[in-house]
Amino acid sequence: NAGVTQTPKFRVLKTGQSMTLLCAQDMNHEYMYWYRQDPGMGLRLIHYSVGEGTTAKGEVPDGYNVSRLKKQNFLLGLESAAPSQTSVYFCASSYSLGVGQPQHFGDGTRLSIL
Amino acid sequence: GENVEQHPSTLSVQEGDSAVIKCTYSDSASNYFPWYKQELGKRPQLIIDIRSNVGEKKDQRIAVTLNKTAKHFSLHITETQPEDSAVYFCAASKDSGTYKYIFGTGTRLKVLA
Repeated sequence: NAGVTQTPKFRVLKTGQSMTLLCAQDMNHEYMYWYRQDPGMGLRLIHYSVGEGTTAKGEVPDGYNVSRLKKQNFLLGLESAAPSQTSVYFCASSYSLGVGQPQHFGDGTRLSIL
Repeated sequence: GENVEQHPSTLSVQEGDSAVIKCTYSDSASNYFPWYKQELGKRPQLIIDIRSNVGEKKDQRIAVTLNKTAKHFSLHITETQPEDSAVYFCAASKDSGTYKYIFGTGTRLKVLA
């Protein structure tokens, strides 16, 4: 049981390049989330999904797109990377039943945009 | 909008002393409050959580208290050890169908040996 797995762990991009971050979970969780973490700003929600085939915007969605084609996978895409998107990206997942379901986090992807 | 304020941003304590981190939330409908510990370069990990029908919860050296009237909750760590040094995040969530968390901005705790 690997939990939440993120790939890649590190990546350096040039401005304008595109890439996709992959999140996979093996806990049969319905809900999945993408966050970015910047110094002094905590964790901010980019997009989230409440089930296969559904996605919704979080508090900082601009410049990102997501897809949830399979229940276990949640992809985060950057179509045209900008230096402001340099950050550490965390994926998380949780059960959907009832209040108080802990979110389980992956190890993160450290992304630098030059 | 929904907001969670966390204080202090940094906290230094001597080994063996207690540490207290406080969070205040704005949405009175919030009913679940987890605390996460994040060591340098690692993932956030849940250390304790509390639901709104409970005023206090303890787990060994860690405790969380909740004051629904004042809309604030606190993390208490007793007998601190060097391995408690990390960044701690509070969060608030509500039963809205999405269970989104609103995170505080974090507290960097340093336990001095």
